[in-house]
Amino acid sequence: NAGVTQTPKFQVLKTGQSMTLQCAQDMNHNSMYWYRQDPGMGLRLIYYSASEGTTDKGEVPNGYNVSRLNKREFSLRLESAAPSQTSVYFCASSETWQGGYEQYFGPGTRLTVT
Amino acid sequence: AQSVTQLDSQVPVFEEAPVELRCNYSSSVSVYLFWYVQYPNQGLQLLLKYLSGSTLVKGINGFEAEFNKSQTSFHLRKPSVHISDTAEYFCAVTLNAGKSTFGDGTTLTVKP
Repeated sequence: NAGVTQTPKFQVLKTGQSMTLQCAQDMNHNSMYWYRQDPGMGLRLIYYSASEGTTDKGEVPNGYNVSRLNKREFSLRLESAAPSQTSVYFCASSETWQGGYEQYFGPGTRLTVT
Repeated sequence: AQSVTQLDSQVPVFEEAPVELRCNYSSSVSVYLFWYVQYPNQGLQLLLKYLSGSTLVKGINGFEAEFNKSQTSFHLRKPSVHISDTAEYFCAVTLNAGKSTFGDGTTLTVKP
């Protein structure tokens, strides 16, 4: 099992450009998440999908959109990138939305917006 | 809403010394508690979790944590650290149904 995979690993964008971060999991998990990690700020939830067909905003959704394409895949789109979106982005999945289930994380995408 | 405070942003320690990484949380309802570890340039992976029952929880790589409900703490400990334990450690809190809240992280640096 590959677990949670993310593409690309690195990306440099210019202000105003758009891109989509891809995430897939092969653990048959129902719930998937997108986080951003900034130095000294831990992980902040951008969007989540409690189950296939549903998505909801997290703590910092502005400037992002998501699509739960199917049970395996959950993508994050930046429509018009800004320097404030320079960060490391992690996708994660868990068996269900209920508490008590650990999250499995991908290796991250390092995004720089100039 | 729940919140998590990791009391130390950086913890330097010598190899084979004991270490404690401190985590306090606040919540008006029962929570589930987790510790994750992040090695350089990798994603987070689970060290251990507390769901219910015994307040002393053992995890991977010799780590353990103790849940203290009265002090709303979930401190992580290891009796003897190795160079390979150098990493960032995150405490996280989850309610019965809902999102996880992560602390800001503690960087553990083990020196030879």
